[in-house]
Amino acid sequence: QLVESGGGLVQPGGSLQLSCAASGFSLTTSAIHWVRQAPGKGPEWVGRIRSKAGNYAITYAASLRGRFTMSRDDSNNTAYLQMNSLKYDDTAVYYCTPQRAYGGNLAFDIWGQGTKVIVT
Amino acid sequence: EIVLTQSPGTLSLSPGERATLSCRASQGVNTKYLGWFQQNPGQAPRLLIYGTSNRATGIPDRFSGSGSGTDFALTISRLEPEDFAVYYCQQYGSSLTFGGGTKVEIK
Repeated sequence: QLVESGGGLVQPGGSLQLSCAASGFSLTTSAIHWVRQAPGKGPEWVGRIRSKAGNYAITYAASLRGRFTMSRDDSNNTAYLQMNSLKYDDTAVYYCTPQRAYGGNLAFDIWGQGTKVIVT
Repeated sequence: EIVLTQSPGTLSLSPGERATLSCRASQGVNTKYLGWFQQNPGQAPRLLIYGTSNRATGIPDRFSGSGSGTDFALTISRLEPEDFAVYYCQQYGSSLTFGGGTKVEIK
């Protein structure tokens, strides 16, 4: 099970930290992706943090670079998304999903219920 | 960034009919990194197909995926009532991108 938390109401310019906690399986060996979905829109990639084997390398969507920061705590099986300088356009449901592989094919087969962020 | 264009935007069909959804990429996509999701209102995306043609765990065999290069398709052989939903294709290269979605609605 994957549980995102930390969302809520925030004013423009404010900050929030989202968490993504896994239970029943380990996130340790997986890259973790954050994806958001604005009301009535399709999913939009936020970015990815690799595992220790990938040196925890982070890539952000170009439009979000500089305001969002991803991190992870493998000892707690949790990933984080720190969001600063929030804008109205950041209003969305935020999901995390681990990158998994089956026979060399990438699969995003585990998703949480998402956490809603409303900038108002 | 690879852009995925899905068509049609809306597909109006009856239960029992066949649905074919298209996903076209702005440049070639590695077939190992192409997936399809189903999403119902208020729910998270659900992985149906990964690696272009592999069904995810628990996905019925009426769902199938195909394609290569820049053209990919999701086929639902016989629509069941629970299949009426929005479908997204997804690819992962230097970034993860999703198509704009196809809504399959009851005719």
